[in-house]
Amino acid sequence: DIVMTQSPLSLPVTPGESASISCRSSQSLLHSNGDNYLEWYLQKPGQSPQVLIYLGSNRASGVPDRFSGSGSGTDFTLKISRVEAEDVGIYYCMQPLQVPVTFGQGTRLEIK
Amino acid sequence: EVQLVQSGGGLAQPGGSLRLSCAASGFTFSAYWMNWLRQAPGKGLEWVANIDQGGSEKYYVDSVKGRFTISRDNAKNSLFLQMDSLRAEDTAVYFCAKHSRNSGFQYWGQGSLVTVSS
Repeated sequence: DIVMTQSPLSLPVTPGESASISCRSSQSLLHSNGDNYLEWYLQKPGQSPQVLIYLGSNRASGVPDRFSGSGSGTDFTLKISRVEAEDVGIYYCMQPLQVPVTFGQGTRLEIK
Repeated sequence: EVQLVQSGGGLAQPGGSLRLSCAASGFTFSAYWMNWLRQAPGKGLEWVANIDQGGSEKYYVDSVKGRFTISRDNAKNSLFLQMDSLRAEDTAVYFCAKHSRNSGFQYWGQGSLVTVSS
């Protein structure tokens, strides 16, 4: 199984500042087609998760451009520019490259 | 508008069974792989199973193999998860979700709480 490791696990952020979350996979997520099979999700309190980023760096429909994904192979980063109060929740990275699909442990973003 | 509306769930005794359903609308259900995921209380997300468009390919996380069965009825735009031999560690909120390469898990059901306890 591909193990996904996120850091940090807790991320206090002042509104208006930037935040970054790292995700590392135990195997490369770079497919032979050139795409990185890495997705980012946000689960707000009491809600179903919502997709933010797919294929490593593509923003999902309706996601503000404050959110950006980067990386390749085994190292990926989610950056949130100008953090807002509505960004509070738990962020997960996930690999859909092979079954079982696996998630990182989650990073809890809180507002200072 | 895409909707995934779940039903089923509830309380079951260890060793018992439950069946979850997920009714899809707003998209061509038969064209997509479908998935079940779960989240134990206070824990992270865990993928459980998925099924291909025609229902012939099915994959499961090791912890549920031989106990859970994913299925679908494309004529009724419905996805199912039959859960047998339930264990306390299966207690979780279960989600159905539609995944595609070019949008991820873009659509999720509202979640169904399954509690396994005597």
